[in-house]
Amino acid sequence: EAQVTQNPRYLITVTGKKLTVTCSQNMNHEYMSWYRQDPGLGLRQIYYSMNVEVTDKGDVPEGYKVSRKEKRNFPLILESPSPNQTSLYFCASSSGGARNQPQHFGDGTRLSIL
Amino acid sequence: AQSVAQPEDQVNVAEGNPLTVKCTYSVSGNPYLFWYVQYPNRGLQFLLKYITGDNLVKGSYGFEAEFNKSQTSFHLKKPSALVSDSALYFCAVRPAKWGNTGKLIFGQGTTLQVKP
Repeated sequence: EAQVTQNPRYLITVTGKKLTVTCSQNMNHEYMSWYRQDPGLGLRQIYYSMNVEVTDKGDVPEGYKVSRKEKRNFPLILESPSPNQTSLYFCASSSGGARNQPQHFGDGTRLSIL
Repeated sequence: AQSVAQPEDQVNVAEGNPLTVKCTYSVSGNPYLFWYVQYPNRGLQFLLKYITGDNLVKGSYGFEAEFNKSQTSFHLKKPSALVSDSALYFCAVRPAKWGNTGKLIFGQGTTLQVKP
């Protein structure tokens, strides 16, 4: 089954404790992206990657890092999480020519930073 | 600035009645337009898209949307609502000139409530 898998689905942690949210897709998609969803704000892009070793900032990159060492994986790293990063996070992927291809989303990771 | 607006936080309709979820956009140049649906505790699922051509596009689960360039709108419609259509709906736009970045601008979402 074609899917985007995120782990963990839920995480409660404390300020300053480094964490990583993993994202993996099995569709051989070139393009991957991370979004955060906050009430009343829709989804905002954090980082995206056009292919292996190619990443770029989205609209809200502060406090986040990403890497794309393999085509299927695109982890999101919070080096020193803060309470304002409490949110619902989604990873997405699409095939090459991301211009007009729909994105496939994971089921989300709900992070609570205390 | 590029933006997408969904003017209604919530839309309530009775089962069997037609539904409309509104979306307007502001982008420079030609837009690529998308609708996604989100069910509780799930990610977004693609419903339909407009890239070019016929202004009326049909998508999954009986949904359709009409692209209106003069009104810069892309409203989502369904002739007969089902209770199972109750979910959160997002409109998204990508200016064509952004090339293959894949970046999307999302509206804030509209909750659709279909009552039996």
